[in-house]
Amino acid sequence: EVRLVQSGAEARKPGEALKISCKGSGYTFTNSWIGWVRQMPGKGLEWMGIMYPGDSDTRYSPSFRGQITISADNSISTAYLQWSSLKASDTAMYYCARRIGAFVDFWGQGTLVTVSS
Amino acid sequence: QSALTQPRSVSGSPGQSVTISCTGTSSDVGGYDYVSWYQQHPGKTPKLMIYDVTKRPSGVPDRFSGSKFGNTASLTISGLQAEDEADYYCCSYAGDYIYVFGSGTTVTVL
Repeated sequence: EVRLVQSGAEARKPGEALKISCKGSGYTFTNSWIGWVRQMPGKGLEWMGIMYPGDSDTRYSPSFRGQITISADNSISTAYLQWSSLKASDTAMYYCARRIGAFVDFWGQGTLVTVSS
Repeated sequence: QSALTQPRSVSGSPGQSVTISCTGTSSDVGGYDYVSWYQQHPGKTPKLMIYDVTKRPSGVPDRFSGSKFGNTASLTISGLQAEDEADYYCCSYAGDYIYVFGSGTTVTVL
């Protein structure tokens, strides 16, 4: 069974750094792209970027390029999304999701990030 | 990338059909046959309902169907049921492994 298990909710202050994780299981982690999606409170889904763990090829949506870093540790089948300096506007639910073919099939349960002073 | 345009809400009585449109451009919806649709109940994770414009994953009822004409894709729910009440998002491939989501539509079962 394919599973994407994300790290727990986080609370940070503006300007702080953060790294959240997404552990894949039930499939070959290095053979599928993993994407990240933002959902701000009461709002829609936004595509942030995607990475192929097999060769670390990473693509960012123009809206998020320079704001986030996507990475992976293949030894533990885990993908990461990180910020070097959070803003209050980064408060949102963040989902990881597996890309298969040209679509996303399985989603993580989401990680709620709250940024407040 | 701008979000694809969806109606904010649609509604129907049980048993009726509703259709949700998703309008993009020739750089996304019109350029690729890679439109997918996701259902999201409040507080829940999105669920894949349609992929590659018309295909249904195993386990999705056949009353959900997808289509596309030009720069507009559509999701039709036939025989509307109470459990179909949720938010629905379209998603299109836009090239270079980038995707763009629709603005989201709330389906209300009257």
